[in-house]
Amino acid sequence: SQKIEQNSEALNIQEGKTATLTCNYTNYSPAYLQWYRQDPGRGPVFLLLIRENEKEKRKERLKVTFDTTLKQSLFHITASQPADSATYLCALDLYNYGQNFVFGPGTRLSVLP
Amino acid sequence: EPEVTQTPSHQVTQMGQEVILRCVPISNHLYFYWYRQILGQKVEFLVSFYNNEISEKSEIFDDQFSVERPDGSNFTLKIRSTKLEDSAMYFCASRGTTDEQYFGPGTRLTVT
Repeated sequence: SQKIEQNSEALNIQEGKTATLTCNYTNYSPAYLQWYRQDPGRGPVFLLLIRENEKEKRKERLKVTFDTTLKQSLFHITASQPADSATYLCALDLYNYGQNFVFGPGTRLSVLP
Repeated sequence: EPEVTQTPSHQVTQMGQEVILRCVPISNHLYFYWYRQILGQKVEFLVSFYNNEISEKSEIFDDQFSVERPDGSNFTLKIRSTKLEDSAMYFCASRGTTDEQYFGPGTRLTVT
């Protein structure tokens, strides 16, 4: 059956370091993959989308890679700040036509000052 | 900046009662979604809605659930006879012509 996993439930890093979060999936062939940020008690906020023909996407301090052979996406936050502390979710479009999205369980990132 | 709004922010109801959760999507968006998130668990897809009809629904979205777009601005989720296990955060989301979904702040539903 189809599955999305994120490498760890929680990740602690020191301020200024690069955080790397992993999203792995099985039994999907996604045309694209999305990353969201979720703060406690709030709705997810869209961050980045990467398509299957894109190896890498950047937005300010964020970088996403997508390896369809490994069935994996990496999400990097460079020069991390305590304000980056949140849960980060990856999401896939189950049938690739924008009507059914599956979210990973999330990784809770804590950036320590 | 346009945003998705949801009301109420918190709803407490007794088991067996009907609840209606309300959402106002971003005005020029065409695709609408409901998700739920049980405390400490992942965001789960419930239903998508386009062109005044359901596009997709998950196994969670059984006969107790229904959605409606009663006018040009509101999008509602009705749970006919609530159960204890329906207690969760319910998020509405909308999408325009891009693949980016915009989520509302959520309604916390507590069934007692």
